[in-house]
Amino acid sequence: GAVVSQHPSRVICKSGTSVKIECRSLDFQATTMFWYRQFPKQSLMLMATSNEGSKATYEQGVEKDKFLINHASLTLSTLTVTSAHPEDSSFYICSARSRGGTEAFFGQGTRLTVV
Amino acid sequence: AQSVAQPEDQVNVAEGNPLTVKCTYSVSGNPYLFWYVQYPNRGLQFLLKYITGDNLVKGSYGFEAEFNKSQTSFHLKKPSALVSDSALYFCAVRVNQAGTALIFGKGTTLSVSS
Repeated sequence: GAVVSQHPSRVICKSGTSVKIECRSLDFQATTMFWYRQFPKQSLMLMATSNEGSKATYEQGVEKDKFLINHASLTLSTLTVTSAHPEDSSFYICSARSRGGTEAFFGQGTRLTVV
Repeated sequence: AQSVAQPEDQVNVAEGNPLTVKCTYSVSGNPYLFWYVQYPNRGLQFLLKYITGDNLVKGSYGFEAEFNKSQTSFHLKKPSALVSDSALYFCAVRVNQAGTALIFGKGTTLSVSS
């Protein structure tokens, strides 16, 4: 199947700093990418949907100025957590789907810890 | 609005026994249904999907699922469980529309004992 690579897999940052997470589709063109957040032992909550070259569409309750999403190419989307705080600590997962594709492929996830 | 329900937080089975992980959904229009598995601190691995056609779908690692339109269910099954099947399983749904995201159930932890 298609491969989605997410980097870094784990990051620890100080409160107030920004962290960038990358999501790359390695062998297909990802016209749509999705960012999810997962709390321990809970489901994945959709944060935003981004189509290549367009602004991301954020879900209700997700601060777009805090979680900056860029999808500048068909193989790369980034999520930047700005001015991170301990409550932003979570597991972030990206997924990508090609145009006309029925399934989405998931990255390995990024464990963010804000201290 | 789309939604997915996984009524069981945990399912416990003995190795070699059949397993079922339940999922029901609510969606306007024809659903695309998926099962994913997640191991600790990892992303999601795709198991199987129903798009159209045969109601019984076979997927990875010996898993299968049956789409039941009248009961709006898509239960995951395996005839003989393995200890290595122990993981967190998610059911997900989306509509056939460009750009729509998967909506996930809360997940069911499967524990297979030896």
